[in-house]
Formats: sequence, structure tokens, C-alpha cells
Amino acid sequence: RKEVEQDPGPFNVPEGATVAFNCTYSNSASQSFFWYRQDCRKEPKLLMSVYSSGNEDGRFTAQLNRASQYISLLIRDSKLSDSATYLCVVRVWEYGNKLVFGAGTILRVKS
Amino acid sequence: DTAVSQTPKYLVTQMGNDKSIKCEQNLGHDTMYWYKQDSKKFLKIMFSYNNKELIINETVPNRFSPKSPDKAHLNLHINSLELGDSAVYFCASSQGGQGNEQYFGPGTRLTVT
Repeated sequence: RKEVEQDPGPFNVPEGATVAFNCTYSNSASQSFFWYRQDCRKEPKLLMSVYSSGNEDGRFTAQLNRASQYISLLIRDSKLSDSATYLCVVRVWEYGNKLVFGAGTILRVKS
Repeated sequence: DTAVSQTPKYLVTQMGNDKSIKCEQNLGHDTMYWYKQDSKKFLKIMFSYNNKELIINETVPNRFSPKSPDKAHLNLHINSLELGDSAVYFCASSQGGQGNEQYFGPGTRLTVT
């Protein structure tokens, strides 16, 4: 089983739609959680950290469920510019405190 | 000003050659990393340096050797290149270790023929 699993998609949605991605992680010792965004042929960039109580940044909402070991990202009112690959990232202390990346979920927002 | 820069951006070379990729960050960060992103898009850490000291060394063939001459630079040298080394290599940096936001360079697309 992969350490971090994501549905690869692609998710094809119209502008203005709400879309949600889930991610599951296998190691219960995971400590910190993030969503990164990667545009085609570009480097990953931090979108947002994910906190235990859930957090929101504009149109983006992240949730963490430690009991079920999954993380979600909700994007409201999708824009064309949201088209990218969204990477779920987990930090695990026992692995030398390293970041483990999921393979990403592709989002395509169409007009 | 580019925060994390890498050179070259593209590298095409033949099997058996030795090549280097350079990385520089001007963010004043104390930790730098090398990642490999393969064709399946998995981004996997290879090495991590904190204040020029190696702190993470994943299961990477010893043909790969990182070198950190100072906190702002982390270079990657690859000996005897193989077809399976073809990938995009990203350099990244952060302040204070892996829990903090990592800033990535633009990547080096390595193709081994």
C-alpha cells in the first residue's frame, strides 16, 4: 500500500463548480499535512497546510480526519486558473521527519 | 529574483556519462533538498542537507552524490548515468527543517538516451 494515496483523476469540471479531492495516508504517526499545487511542467508550490480543526483560505477548504487517516481539499467556485495537479503531502516523524508526496490529482476546469 | 534556481533546466545525455546539476537558493534557508519526480509523477526525496550537513539520505544508488559547499548551494552529481535516471530533478529549500514550507526550484529535466 502506498504511503499517500490519491485519486489521480482527472476531474473535469465547469467554471464555478465545487470540487473535492480526498487523500488517504497509511502511517498513523503522520504529523503534518499539506496540499501542494503543481502546474504542468512546473515546480510544486504550497497551497495550504492542513490543521486538525480544518482550515479555509478563500475558496479553498482543507479538512483532516485522523481517525480515518484522510485529508480532503474542497475548491469552491472553480476558476480556469485552478487547473493543475494537487499533491497531498504528509510529514512523518519516524521517517526522519521527511515529507511524503502523493502522486497528485489532476483538475481541469473548463469554460 | 528567483528564490531557488537550478541549472541546467534541460539535460540530455548518453548512458554511462557523468553529469552535475546545480542548485542555489537566495532565501537564507538552512535546509536544502533534492527530489526526483519520475514519469508516474511521484515526487520522492533523495537527500536533505541542513547547514551543509547531510540529514536524509534515502535509498538512492551511490552513483548519486550531493555536495553542499555552503548553505545556499546544493549540487547533485550523477555518475554512470542509466536510462532509469531519466526524470525531473527538483531542488528545494526550507527554513528549520522539513515541517516548514518548502520552496522548489523550476526543475531539471534529465533525459538519458
